[in-house]
Amino acid sequence: QSVLTQPPSVSAAPGQKVTISCSGSSSNIGNNYVSWYQQLPGTAPKLLIYDNNKRPSGIPDRFSGSKSGTSATLGITGLQTGDEADYYCGTWDSSLSAGGVFGTGTKVTVL
Amino acid sequence: EVQLVESGGGLVKPGGSLRLSCAASGFTFSSYSMNWVRQAPGKGLEWVSSISSSSSYIYYADSVKGRFTISRDNAKNSLYLQMNSLRAEDTAVYYCASEGYTKGRWFDPWGQGTLVTVSS
Repeated sequence: QSVLTQPPSVSAAPGQKVTISCSGSSSNIGNNYVSWYQQLPGTAPKLLIYDNNKRPSGIPDRFSGSKSGTSATLGITGLQTGDEADYYCGTWDSSLSAGGVFGTGTKVTVL
Repeated sequence: EVQLVESGGGLVKPGGSLRLSCAASGFTFSSYSMNWVRQAPGKGLEWVSSISSSSSYIYYADSVKGRFTISRDNAKNSLYLQMNSLRAEDTAVYYCASEGYTKGRWFDPWGQGTLVTVSS
C-alpha cells in the first residue's frame, strides 16, 4: 500500500519539461530524504535521484529533484522518447514499522 | 560489475511456502543493508523487508510480518526471503535491492526480479 501520492500520469512533447509531485507526511518525507526511481517497461527500477536532489553517476542533468516540507518533486527537462517510463518516489517512514515507502507511481508519456 | 540476481520464484498454492535467493557480486556485500521490494502485476512498488549488514536489524512490512523471514549469508554473498502461508495477494515480482546511504537511504542497485505466483 503506497503512502506517498503521485499523479497517475503526465505527458509532454519531446524537448519539453515535465514535473512529477510526490506528497507524503511528517512521518516520511517530512523527516527523511527522498529518492526517485525510473522503471522502463519490463525492467527493474533504476535509481535516478537520492538525498532529495543528488544524481548518481551516469544520470544526465536533465533529471532533477527537490523537496519542500512533506512534498518532493522530480523534474525532467529536454524530454526524450527514451524517458517514457514509470517513475516512483521513495523514502523511509519514521513510525514504528520503520520501513521503506514508495509513491503510487507516475507514467510519463512523450507525445 | 555490480550485480544482483534473484532466483527461487515460481507457482505455489495458497498456504504454501517458497524461498527466494539473491546472489550479489561486484561489491562488498557484507557492508550493506539489503532489502526485498515487490511489485504486483500492473501495480506499484511495495517495500517488503530489510536487513542490516550484520543481520542485527530486521524490519518487515505489516502485510508480511509473521509470515516472511529475511536472512543473509555474508560468506556466500547471498540474501534470502523465506515466504510461508502465502496468499494470492503475495503474487508479485520480487526484487532484491542493496541500500545506499549518505544523508538518506535509497535502493541501488536492483536485481532483475523473480516472479512469485500464488494460485490454486
